[in-house]
Amino acid sequence: NAGVTQTPKFRILKIGQSMTLQCTQDMNHNYMYWYRQDPGMGLKLIYYSVGAGITDKGEVPNGYNVSRSTTEDFPLRLELAAPSQTSVYFCASRDHPWLASGTKGEQFFGPGTRLTVL
Amino acid sequence: TQLLEQSPQFLSIQEGENLTVYCNSSSVFSSLQWYRQEPGEGPVLLVTVVTGGEVKKLKRLTFQFGDARKDSSLHITAAQPGDTGLYLCARTPNTGNQFYFGTGTSLTVIP
Repeated sequence: NAGVTQTPKFRILKIGQSMTLQCTQDMNHNYMYWYRQDPGMGLKLIYYSVGAGITDKGEVPNGYNVSRSTTEDFPLRLELAAPSQTSVYFCASRDHPWLASGTKGEQFFGPGTRLTVL
Repeated sequence: TQLLEQSPQFLSIQEGENLTVYCNSSSVFSSLQWYRQEPGEGPVLLVTVVTGGEVKKLKRLTFQFGDARKDSSLHITAAQPGDTGLYLCARTPNTGNQFYFGTGTSLTVIP
């Protein structure tokens, strides 16, 4: 299994440009998440999904959109990029209802996408 | 915003020393997780605690969940250079649908 993969690894955007960050998991997990991490800080939840066709906002959704047409893919769309969106973006997935017997509620994270908006 | 405060923000110690990092909130946690993140990588789960007063051990790491479920601590015994990383706590409601991370403690263990 490749786990959670993210593309691209690095990207530089100009203000006002748009892009899609790709996230794919091959573990058949229902739950998927997008986070951003600013330098020296923790992660902030942008959007999450509990299954194909279902998405919901997290702490910091403004300026982003998501879709979940398949179990495997959870792309994050940035429209009209702004310098404030310069960050490292992590996608994660997990399986099982929360703390189902024998599980730890583990999120599996991708390697991240480093985005700079100039 | 459900704030989680972690302290200290930075910690640099010699190999073999012991250390404790803290995660605090003004509100009750349903569940709390601890992660370690190495540079250039995503976080990796260390432990999940759900019961007030709970203590879990993972080799040289000891995790404690406060009785009132508003705080947690991570104690490392005889730190090693491989323990270097960013330690993050995260809270989640009973559904486990959303996770709120603390600001992290950056630990450096000097050989």
